[in-house]
Amino acid sequence: AQRVTQPEKLLSVFKGAPVELKCNYSYSGSPELFWYVQYSRQRLQLLLRHISRESIKGFTADLNKGETSFHLKKPFAQEEDSAMYYCALRRISGGYNKLIFGAGTRLAVHP
Amino acid sequence: EAGVVQSPRYKIIEKKQPVAFWCNPISGHNTLYWYRQNLGQGPELLIRYENEEAVDDSQLPKDRFSAERLKGVDSTLKIQPAELGDSAVYLCASSHRDRVADTQYFGPGTRLTVL
Repeated sequence: AQRVTQPEKLLSVFKGAPVELKCNYSYSGSPELFWYVQYSRQRLQLLLRHISRESIKGFTADLNKGETSFHLKKPFAQEEDSAMYYCALRRISGGYNKLIFGAGTRLAVHP
Repeated sequence: EAGVVQSPRYKIIEKKQPVAFWCNPISGHNTLYWYRQNLGQGPELLIRYENEEAVDDSQLPKDRFSAERLKGVDSTLKIQPAELGDSAVYLCASSHRDRVADTQYFGPGTRLTVL
């Protein structure tokens, strides 16, 4: 069964500290992985996807197929990074696809 | 661009009452998704439309939930009768097409509380 696991419900760091939000997945095929973010009082939005291999707002994520992980990293956290972060896997089935989300990790960056 | 529009934003009802949620996707987006997000969980897909056709409703509890997307634009999700366990945030999302490269854009959600 396809599953996305985010082991931490809350990650609390100080401004300027490095951040790593963990995401592990189980999927028998070739997955596409995403990170979505939801800032306070805003809607869920795409942060980045692994196929783009880009850095968004200083965040990067590398797909590690051997460890089935897609951890989100930022070297120096900012207060405005405080939000809910959801890791998601796109499963392709029967020519269509669906997103499977993890339970989310709340990142709190303190001054 | 207004983005995905949902209404109402909040709804409080008593159990056994009916409730309906409305979604207007981004103009030109053919694919529409309804998700349910329980407290402390990520969104879970309920149903996906490609134009007016429901192409994946395997997770929709069909005994009490129904959805429609007439004319392939706006969509309505209905629960009748509502149960206490239906309390959740109901999210609508849309994408240009249901293809690998297409990003899903989410609406603000409807928070349902069943008393």
